[in-house]
Amino acid sequence: DQQVKQNSPSLSVQEGRISILNCDYTNSMFDYFLWYKKYPAEGPTFLISISSIKDKNEDGRFTVFLNKSAKHLSLHIVPSQPGDSAVYFCAATSGTYKYIFGTGTRLKVLA
Amino acid sequence: DVKVTQSSRYLVKRTGEKVFLECVQDMDHENMFWYRQDPGLGLRLIYFSYDVKMKEKGDIPEGYSVSREKKERFSLILESASTNQTSMYLCASSYRDPEAFFGQGTRLTVV
Repeated sequence: DQQVKQNSPSLSVQEGRISILNCDYTNSMFDYFLWYKKYPAEGPTFLISISSIKDKNEDGRFTVFLNKSAKHLSLHIVPSQPGDSAVYFCAATSGTYKYIFGTGTRLKVLA
Repeated sequence: DVKVTQSSRYLVKRTGEKVFLECVQDMDHENMFWYRQDPGLGLRLIYFSYDVKMKEKGDIPEGYSVSREKKERFSLILESASTNQTSMYLCASSYRDPEAFFGQGTRLTVV
C-alpha cells in the first residue's frame, strides 16, 4: 500500500514559468513532510520541508503548500530554471524518523 | 557540511555471493538508513538504526541484514545476492531533525 503517492511520473515546463509538483498521502499520522531533489548518479539532496502545523513554507524560489484536509502537498518552483531539471521525491514521517518516500516526479525545464 | 560516504559507487557481484555495502557519516548522527531505489518504485526503506547495535526493519528487509557496531558506520549485508537485488542503494543519516542526508549511492548489479 503506497502511503505517499506522486501520480505524475514526469513534468515538462518552460524556463521562467512555474513548476508545480504534487504529492498525496494516506496516513493521517504523518506530521512532517519533505521534498528532495535527485540528479542522476547522485544521492537525493534535501530541498524544503513543512511541519503539519503549517500550511506553507517558502525558501527562495521554492514553496511547499500543505493541505491537511485533502492530505495533499505541492512544491512550487518559481521561476523554473534548467538546473532544476531532476527527479523530485516527496517524503513523509510521523516523528519516528522513518521516512516514507513517493515514487518521484521527473521535472524537465526547457530552455 | 554533513558528509555521508558510501564505499563504492558501482559494484558487480555474482548470484549467491555475500555482499557488504558500507556507509560512513561524519556528523555523529544517531539515525542511519538504507534505502533502495528502483524505477517507478521510488525509495523503499530496507532497514534503519537509531543507535549503535539497534536496528529496525523497514518495508523490504527480506534478503538483507545490517550491522551497526560504531555510531558512524552502518553496513548493509546481502546474505546471498540475487538478481532481483540489482538496484541503486542509498544510505542516509539524520539527527533530531527529520531532514536526512544521503550518500551518493551504490549501483549494485547482480549477475
